[in-house]
Amino acid sequence: DMQMTQSPSSLSASVGDRVTITCRASQSIGTYLNWYQQKPGNPPKLLIYTASNLQGGVPSRFSGSGSGTDFTLTISSLQPEDFATYYCQQIYSSPFTFGPGTKVHIK
Amino acid sequence: QVQLVQSGAEVKKPGSSVKVSCEASGGTFGNYAISWVRQAPGQGLEWMGEIIPLFGTANYAQKFQGRVTITADHSTTTAYMELSALRSEDTAVYFCARDLRKQLDVWGQGTLVTVSS
Repeated sequence: DMQMTQSPSSLSASVGDRVTITCRASQSIGTYLNWYQQKPGNPPKLLIYTASNLQGGVPSRFSGSGSGTDFTLTISSLQPEDFATYYCQQIYSSPFTFGPGTKVHIK
Repeated sequence: QVQLVQSGAEVKKPGSSVKVSCEASGGTFGNYAISWVRQAPGQGLEWMGEIIPLFGTANYAQKFQGRVTITADHSTTTAYMELSALRSEDTAVYFCARDLRKQLDVWGQGTLVTVSS
C-alpha cells in the first residue's frame, strides 16, 4: 500500500499567520492528492483536489501545490475557523490512503 | 444537492457483524461512487472501500478483504457497509462519502460502532 506521511503532526499558530503543511507519498503519485479539513465531531471537508484545485466554496486563503511525492497545503492568513486537523489523501492507487493528519492549534 | 444520511449508533459483541446504511437524497444515485472511511477514537482516517452503484462493483482495501461487504440498492438510493467478525479494534465512527472522481465531496454524518463484550 502507498504510505503517506505528514509534517508536522501538530503546530501552534496565531490568527493571521501563514501556515504550511507538508504531505509526502512513498512513491510518485503525480497530482493525485486531495486535502481535507476535519473539526471535532464532524466529518471531513474537501478543501483541495488533485493537488491544487480549490473545492467550490472553500476560501481562497487555502492553496495546494506539489506533484510526484511532495505536496503542500498553505493557509495564507490563518482564521479562527481554521483551527482543525488536516489530512492528505492519495487517490492514485487503491487503497486510497490518508496521511496521519496535522492538527493546527491556537497559539 | 446530494445529502447522505447514515443509520444510528450500534453496540456489537465481538465476533458479530454490523451493517451501516447510507441513504442518498438529491442528485442521481448511481452517477457517482460511494466510499466508506472509518475513524477510530482519537485517530486518523482509514479508507475501507467503495462501490459504484451503477455497476454494483465494489473495491475493498486489502486490510478488510473477506470481512467487509459494500452494497447499494437503487430502489432506495441507499448504500450499505457490512463488517463481520468484529473485534474491539473495529470500534470507530464509520463515514460514507460521495466519491466524485475520487473527490469525497459530500459526507454522511458518521455512525459510531462500538464493539464491546
